Amino acid sequence: SQTIHQWPATLVQPVGSPLSLECTVEGTSNPNLYWYRQAAGRGLQLLFYSVGIGQISSEVPQNLSASRPQDRQFILSSKKLLLSDSGFYLCAWERGTEAFFGQGTRLTVV
Amino acid sequence: GQQVMQIPQYQHVQEGEDFTTYCNSSTTLSNIQWYKQRPGGHPVFLIQLVKSGEVKKQKRLTFQFGEAKKNSSLHITATQTTDVGTYFCAGSRGAGSYQLTFGKGTKLSVIP
Repeated sequence: SQTIHQWPATLVQPVGSPLSLECTVEGTSNPNLYWYRQAAGRGLQLLFYSVGIGQISSEVPQNLSASRPQDRQFILSSKKLLLSDSGFYLCAWERGTEAFFGQGTRLTVV
Repeated sequence: GQQVMQIPQYQHVQEGEDFTTYCNSSTTLSNIQWYKQRPGGHPVFLIQLVKSGEVKKQKRLTFQFGEAKKNSSLHITATQTTDVGTYFCAGSRGAGSYQLTFGKGTKLSVIP
């Protein structure tokens, strides 16, 4: 069966520090992968999606970047975090009929 | 780009009352999906609707897809405290489309 792993679960980082969140998928090949951000009390904002290795599309301009070095690995990064980067970050993969979300990373930038 | 609007943003109901959330897309959708996110958790898939005018039921939950495939609704009959959470709709423009666009969600609170 397919599973999705996302870590860490929580993270507190100072302003200006770098960020790296990792997401891996097991049990499937060539998945479509997504990074979403959910600000407190808000909906899901699509940040990046990827349809294959090295293929990244950004939905909104921001302080973040994404990479897909392997088929089932999706990484969200930042060189310098801003206070406004705080939120709940969710990785997801989908197979055309439904999306499966990771457990999420709650990031607090202080 | 494609936009998916969802209303209301918040809904407080007394336990036993009904609840409905509505989803509207700016473009015709191939399918629409509904997800539930419990407080502190991640979104979990509930159902997918594909056909124009489709209606599906899951116990007390009724999902509808509009005739024009641009709107959808989720109706919960006789809410329970276990229904608490945020309900999201998500629209897709095509099979395998990577543009799965989520609405902002409706946060449901149930007062016991």
